[in-house]
Amino acid sequence: QSALTQPPSASGSPGQSVTISCTGTSSDVGAYNFVSWYQQHPGKAPKLMIYEVTKRPSGVPNRFSGSKSGNTASLIVSDLQAEDEADYYCWSFAGGENWVFGGGTNLIVL
Amino acid sequence: QAQLVQSGAEVKEPGASVMVSCKASGYTSNNYAIHWVRQAPGQRLEWMGWINPGKGDTQSSQRFQGKVTITKDTSATTVYMAVSSLTSEDTGVYFCAKKTIGHPHGLDVWGQGTTVTVSS
Repeated sequence: QSALTQPPSASGSPGQSVTISCTGTSSDVGAYNFVSWYQQHPGKAPKLMIYEVTKRPSGVPNRFSGSKSGNTASLIVSDLQAEDEADYYCWSFAGGENWVFGGGTNLIVL
Repeated sequence: QAQLVQSGAEVKEPGASVMVSCKASGYTSNNYAIHWVRQAPGQRLEWMGWINPGKGDTQSSQRFQGKVTITKDTSATTVYMAVSSLTSEDTGVYFCAKKTIGHPHGLDVWGQGTTVTVSS
């Protein structure tokens, strides 16, 4: 199972919006609405930000949202804040009880 | 408050095996799966496999089949992940994470991570 494809980096200025893509195939991202997104600061454990494509856990700011079109899921971060600077990973069900992560995107707040 | 607490850092020689534990508290462990994730230094997260502590069913990523064994204790509150025939490529941080069996599909609670260093 190959990793899902994410851009290595993304950037934006405070207050702007940034979209991070996660491209898979018709066997994983395209087949199921089971994509979740994780934020990881250096030296820390990942944190769930979005699950099942669009749902946000309690406590996650509504500046974070998700969507999906075909084989590509997206994480949208609006009104960028300095604390949003981190690595972001998508994770998708791939069938047959298997799951796969994306390659990760380093979000830089300029 | 659901919590996962992992065992401490390990240093192993090449060819040895290592076992990392993940102890659950604050929730009914039978209703949730435990997934294992590896992160090599400076690299991406990599899904390794999962276990249903209630039934003991396991599934490993094809990449780790034959390399990784995931088990549980009889109380289903502690899960173990063993990696055999260690090489330098197994160096990294190993995380356990909790997910509901069925919906919702997301890893909502994570352990603090266990650093495994493979070095002669």
